[in-house]
Amino acid sequence: EAGVVQSPRYKIIEKKQPVAFWCNPISGHNTLYWYLQNLGQGPELLIRYENEEAVDDSQLPKDRFSAERLKGVDSTLKIQPAELGDSAVYLCASSRDGGGSEQFFGPGTRLTVL
Amino acid sequence: GQNIDQPTEMTATEGAIVQINCTYQTSGFNGLFWYQQHAGEAPTFLSYNVLDGLEEKGRFSSFLSRSKGYSYLLLKELQMKDSASYLCAVRDRRGSTLGRLYFGRGTQLTVWP
Repeated sequence: EAGVVQSPRYKIIEKKQPVAFWCNPISGHNTLYWYLQNLGQGPELLIRYENEEAVDDSQLPKDRFSAERLKGVDSTLKIQPAELGDSAVYLCASSRDGGGSEQFFGPGTRLTVL
Repeated sequence: GQNIDQPTEMTATEGAIVQINCTYQTSGFNGLFWYQQHAGEAPTFLSYNVLDGLEEKGRFSSFLSRSKGYSYLLLKELQMKDSASYLCAVRDRRGSTLGRLYFGRGTQLTVWP
């Protein structure tokens, strides 16, 4: 079974530029999560999707961050414009459902904002 | 909200046993997870506890006491490859945040030969 796929693995941009991350969850997993992980910290949830619907996005900074999950499969997370403090690893995870299933994580995208 | 506390760093030698503690304060508890994360890699699932007691899985065991807000991860017969960060995560059971995982900052374990 293929795992969660993310791209790109690394991204370096200058501040004020836009950036987008892509995630393909495990086949059959209805729930998709985007997390932010700063160095030396645990992951923090940004947004959770149940199929196409964002059901938990209270921690997403909506002034500059946006996300979509068209057709309830792949998802894209966008930052526009990026700030220096956005440098971090952005992890995508998926699970069969949102209630109690184990979450499987992708390798993450390491973003560096200069 | 959730407040999860675990030691920042631990060291141990190959073949030894190490216990990584996690304490939590929560407004709504629906299970505790342990994840392993090697540097630059994705977190991978190790164990899950929702009831009090010990869950054993090979060299790894996890314990939960809900009344004390306490869990530990026990690693036996340590190997060099066990050097990693170990993340404690608590799952929420309240309304709109049902199912949300709150992670601790992780315990960086270094295993010496």
